[in-house]
Amino acid sequence: ETGVTQSPTHLIKTRGQQVTLRCSSQSGHNTVSWYQQALGQGPQFIFQYYREEENGRGNFPPRFSGLQFPNYSSELNVNALELDDSALYLCASSTAAIAKNIQYFGAGTRLSVL
Amino acid sequence: QKEVEQDPGPLSVPEGAIVSLNCTYSNSAFQYFMWYRQYSRKGPELLMYTYSSGNKEDGRFTAQVDKSSKYISLFIRDSQPSDSATYLCAGGGNEKLTFGTGTRLTIIP
Repeated sequence: ETGVTQSPTHLIKTRGQQVTLRCSSQSGHNTVSWYQQALGQGPQFIFQYYREEENGRGNFPPRFSGLQFPNYSSELNVNALELDDSALYLCASSTAAIAKNIQYFGAGTRLSVL
Repeated sequence: QKEVEQDPGPLSVPEGAIVSLNCTYSNSAFQYFMWYRQYSRKGPELLMYTYSSGNKEDGRFTAQVDKSSKYISLFIRDSQPSDSATYLCAGGGNEKLTFGTGTRLTIIP
């Protein structure tokens, strides 16, 4: 177990709704990255948070937004859900003291958009 | 062209065989190279990482990176049925990781 926890594990939403996914990072880690993994594909980078600031963003529209809290936990918010948003959403934590991209993943939140 | 290319398989080998998994990448800025193992409906588990070129060994697993040819390899010795999973390679600079599509591996008892 990595110590990275995500909630909820599964979620079903309808098109146009909004969703919030949550992540608690591993103890001692100050950086959180979010990825989207479609079925049969590798994870795609959404964004990264370090010291409560966005620290890099992938090719995702602004309706994907996030937050990092002082305890380093994080949220991913997706507005105006589309059918193609159905995927496994993965949170990964790391520490800048070693390297931000030596990342440890949680089990993910499986989102289904109907 | 994708930044990280990986043969999706599927790959089936008998128990005890040596498994070779490979990726190529195109981004010269990559400094970190990772291998993750992902079981069905689970999150990726970090197996090994390498900084820059070279080899790294951990038990039955060996990771190799050749930056001159932009080639990443993972070798699994004495493969076990529990090694059956999808293996993801990834490269990165300072922040994000860029993943291949994953290779689905099955070890046949």
